Amino acid sequence: EDQVTQSPEALRLQEGESSSLNCSYTVSGLRGLFWYRQDPGKGPEFLFTLYSAGEEKEKERLKATLTKKESFLHITAPKPEDSATYLCAVHGQGGKLIFGQGTELSVKP
Amino acid sequence: KAGVTQTPRYLIKTRGQQVTLSCSPISGHRSVSWYQQTPGQGLQFLFEYFSETQRNKGNFPGRFSGRQFSNSRSEMNVSTLELGDSALYLCASSATYRGSSGNTIYFGEGSWLTVV
Repeated sequence: EDQVTQSPEALRLQEGESSSLNCSYTVSGLRGLFWYRQDPGKGPEFLFTLYSAGEEKEKERLKATLTKKESFLHITAPKPEDSATYLCAVHGQGGKLIFGQGTELSVKP
Repeated sequence: KAGVTQTPRYLIKTRGQQVTLSCSPISGHRSVSWYQQTPGQGLQFLFEYFSETQRNKGNFPGRFSGRQFSNSRSEMNVSTLELGDSALYLCASSATYRGSSGNTIYFGEGSWLTVV
């Protein structure tokens, strides 16, 4: 069964303290792994799509990497405005997106 | 370029009633999918439409239904509402069929449904 697990569930950082979020997945035939950011009361905002092991993508303080079993979202020198829930998803059977439970990131000044 | 637009943003319904939610995809996008988000279950796939045809369906009861119009706009309907249907309902659009690689999926702000 296709499955996505994110860790940790919650992460508290000080401003400038770099860290990584993990997304482990089990899917038959990966056709894309997605990272989204979701602010309270809003819809998920698209960040990255990764397709093959070894692929990396960057956007400002965020960098996403992909292996055959997991993806990491690295946050370098985070700022309070990076506080949000970060969601990972994969294309599962039949093409539907399967989401992890998310990591709630809090960055304190 | 306008994003995915969902209406209404907030609504309160009574148990047993029905509700219809609307979604306008990004201009040029032909695929629309719907998700339910709750604190306990997270984001769960409801169904996907492409070119007015339902292509995929999640594990939800038949009370949940949807349709897509020729202009790609979509509606979802929930009949005989239950308290457990209270959730954020999210619509997402993409240019092509979601199973295709290179297909970015964008979400709307969602419709908050409260069933009392």
